[in-house]
Amino acid sequence: KQEVTQIPAALSVPEGENLVLNCSFTDSAIYNLQWFRQDPGKGLTSLLLIQSSQREQTSGRLNASLDKSSGRSTLYIAASQPGDSATYLCAQASGTYKYIFGTGTRLKVLA
Amino acid sequence: DARVTQTPRHKVTEMGQEVTMRCQPILGHNTVFWYRQTMMQGLELLAYFRNRAPLDDSGMPKDRFSAEMPDATLATLKIQPSEPRDSAVYFCASGLNEQFFGPGTRLTVL
Repeated sequence: KQEVTQIPAALSVPEGENLVLNCSFTDSAIYNLQWFRQDPGKGLTSLLLIQSSQREQTSGRLNASLDKSSGRSTLYIAASQPGDSATYLCAQASGTYKYIFGTGTRLKVLA
Repeated sequence: DARVTQTPRHKVTEMGQEVTMRCQPILGHNTVFWYRQTMMQGLELLAYFRNRAPLDDSGMPKDRFSAEMPDATLATLKIQPSEPRDSAVYFCASGLNEQFFGPGTRLTVL
């Protein structure tokens, strides 16, 4: 059974810290991996998409990497801000575009 | 500013009633997904379509749920009859490779 695991489940950091969120997946036949942000009571906002042929993607203070051999992706957030507080989810897609989501990491950045 | 739209945003209904949720995907996106999110189960894929054809609906209880795409601008998710355990937020997403989510329909079945 394909599984996506995110560690830690929750994280609280002071403003300004650099932090890493982890995502592990069991399906080696990965097509792409996407990171999302979800604010309370809201939908999911796409942050970064990494295709299977890529190793990393960057957008502003965010950098996501993909290591297919170890089944891991990391989301690096530089110089965290209180506005970064949200739940971060990763989702793995197989070749059939079927996405499996992790359970998320709840991030709180303290001012 | 292209975005996925969903209606209604909130729905409260009584057990046994029919519920229909609608989604307008982003124009040009050929894949449409329906998800359900609950505190206990997280985000679950119910069904998805590619070029309007259903690819996988194994995540749906088929005795009461049905999903269709009558045309490229409309996807529907229907529950008949609804049950209290169907209470959740239902999201539609569309995309080519990257997924873009709608704001969701919050369903409460009493």
